[in-house]
Amino acid sequence: QKEVEQNSGPLSVPEGAIASLNCTYSDRGSQSFFWYRQYSGKSPELIMFIYSNGDKEDGRFTAQLNKASQYVSLLIRDSQPSDSATYLCALTYSGGGADGLTFGKGTHLIIQP
Amino acid sequence: DVKVTQSSRYLVKRTGEKVFLECVQDMDHENMFWYRQDPGLGLRLIYFSYDVKMKEKGDIPEGYSVSREKKERFSLILESASTNQTSMYLCASSLRVALEAFFGQGTRLTVV
Repeated sequence: QKEVEQNSGPLSVPEGAIASLNCTYSDRGSQSFFWYRQYSGKSPELIMFIYSNGDKEDGRFTAQLNKASQYVSLLIRDSQPSDSATYLCALTYSGGGADGLTFGKGTHLIIQP
Repeated sequence: DVKVTQSSRYLVKRTGEKVFLECVQDMDHENMFWYRQDPGLGLRLIYFSYDVKMKEKGDIPEGYSVSREKKERFSLILESASTNQTSMYLCASSLRVALEAFFGQGTRLTVV
């Protein structure tokens, strides 16, 4: 069973600070990594994806991937109250098929004004 | 922009009814997925389709079936709805499995 682990939270961060969200995974065959944001009652929306080791930046968001240690993280700089949501880590495997897209259970992030 | 549209936002059905949830995507994606999402359990894959008339079972296929007669449309069928199928149902599509999935707005199904 392929596992994607996230701390469920809630993670509480003051407005303007850096929020750090982490995700670990069990299968070294994992190929592509995604971060989705989900507001309460809404569907997940893609924020970032990363395929290679290292950092990838997009505006206030930075995704970090370390395949040797099997973790992926998301940093949110200058956190805003509108960033309060559940963040889902997801990944795919080179084998594809029904196992090809696996989600963690999500981390609930609260940005305190 | 990719658009994935689910036929209903909210649905209330009675126990034992046959329920159809419809999903349409407009970007010619090969892959389509049905998930259900429950508090504390996250997103769980029900069924996956990688081509017309092709399907694979996900983690929790029991009590469900699917149909994909056209590339853009993927239907989830609850053969005989039960109260434990009350949930948020999410449809998604992707061009290839290794690429990101795009979600519909979700259908909140209540079985009474």
